[in-house]
Amino acid sequence: DAGVIQSPRHEVTEMGQEVTLRCKPISGHNSLFWYRQTMMRGLELLIYFNNNVPIDDSGMPEDRFSAKMPNASFSTLKIQPSEPRDSAVYFCASSLAAGGYEQYFGPGTRLTVT
Amino acid sequence: GESVGLHLPTLSVQEGDNSIINCAYSNSASDYFIWYKQESGKGPQFIIDIRSNMDKRQGQRVTVLLNKTVKHLSLQIAATQPGDSAVYFCAENARSGAGSYQLTFGKGTKLSVIP
Repeated sequence: DAGVIQSPRHEVTEMGQEVTLRCKPISGHNSLFWYRQTMMRGLELLIYFNNNVPIDDSGMPEDRFSAKMPNASFSTLKIQPSEPRDSAVYFCASSLAAGGYEQYFGPGTRLTVT
Repeated sequence: GESVGLHLPTLSVQEGDNSIINCAYSNSASDYFIWYKQESGKGPQFIIDIRSNMDKRQGQRVTVLLNKTVKHLSLQIAATQPGDSAVYFCAENARSGAGSYQLTFGKGTKLSVIP
């Protein structure tokens, strides 16, 4: 298995632009998670899906952030409009189920908003 | 102004010695715990897990100890190697008030192995 796949690996954009991050979970995994990692706040859960349905989005910073999972093999995290404080590494992870199972992380997308 | 980042605890260990990384967790209802290793520029990588009905679990060169009384978790790495240099995170899993599961990560400990 190729593991969790994320694209792009690096993204540099200007403030105000829309950013879309993509994730392909491991085949057969029913839960998908989006995390953000910064030096200031560490690793934070933004949102997670179970069977393509958003279950907990309490970690999404504000309305500029949105996430979708149209099918079991694809998810997006969108930031519109982007701001410099959104600069971080965004990780996608997947697991067999939401609770009590290890999460497999992708390589991350390093986002820089100037 | 100057940005203030996370000041990760750092553990420096001589190659070949054993390492012990500690973690205090917050939720007494947590029932599943994981240790992750994160190397520079990579995503967190699973090392070992333990469920709350156990107090010890061993893997290859790693052992996790769980003390539920004091809500403490530790990771022991035997015969530490240069490739073990990374940031190590503990994570606890518990059901939230809304009924959803959430894996909450600690701030991490940086392990530096001295050759």
